[in-house]
Amino acid sequence: SQTIHQWPATLVQPVGSPLSLECTVEGTSNPNLYWYRQAAGRGLQLLFYSVGIGQISSEVPQNLSASRPQDRQFILSSKKLLLSDSGFYLCAWSVRGDRNQPQHFGDGTRLSIL
Amino acid sequence: LAKTTQPISMDSYEGQEVNITCSHNNIATNDYITWYQQFPSQGPRFIIQGYKTKVTNEVASLFIPADRKSSTLSLPRVSLSDTAVYYCLVGDTYSSASKIIFGSGTRLSIRP
Repeated sequence: SQTIHQWPATLVQPVGSPLSLECTVEGTSNPNLYWYRQAAGRGLQLLFYSVGIGQISSEVPQNLSASRPQDRQFILSSKKLLLSDSGFYLCAWSVRGDRNQPQHFGDGTRLSIL
Repeated sequence: LAKTTQPISMDSYEGQEVNITCSHNNIATNDYITWYQQFPSQGPRFIIQGYKTKVTNEVASLFIPADRKSSTLSLPRVSLSDTAVYYCLVGDTYSSASKIIFGSGTRLSIRP
């Protein structure tokens, strides 16, 4: 069966520090991968979307970047964190090439910026 | 963009049937309707997906009228553990990322 792992579960970082969040998927190949952010009590905002190694799409201008160095690995990064980067970050995957397949989410990383 | 509108919150009692309606007036021909459930500090979990008419699985039913401008998630005989936020998502995960929009969801509270 397929599984998705995110780590760490929680993270507290000072303003201006770098960030690296990692997500890996097991049990499937060539997945679509996604990074979302969720502010407290709000819906999910899509940050990045990837259909393959090295292919990253972003619709939201921001202080963050994403990379996909391997087929089932998706990394969210920042060189200098801002207070506004606080939130709950979720990674998800879906089957590529099959229209309308649902997304499957990890358990998220709660990031607090001090 | 097929944006969705859901009630912000709903309350019900154990053993009742709960129906949550989502409006999506601008749904496109290729769009499917997908519902997710989210508990606090967890990622959303897929519940059910449909294109038209009625879909039923072991946890819920999804009713979609012929014009597809709305959909209703039906949870039979809810329990306390069904207290969660429910999201309606309309889109096509095969197309651009800008079509993947989660709204604010419906916060469902179940009471004893």
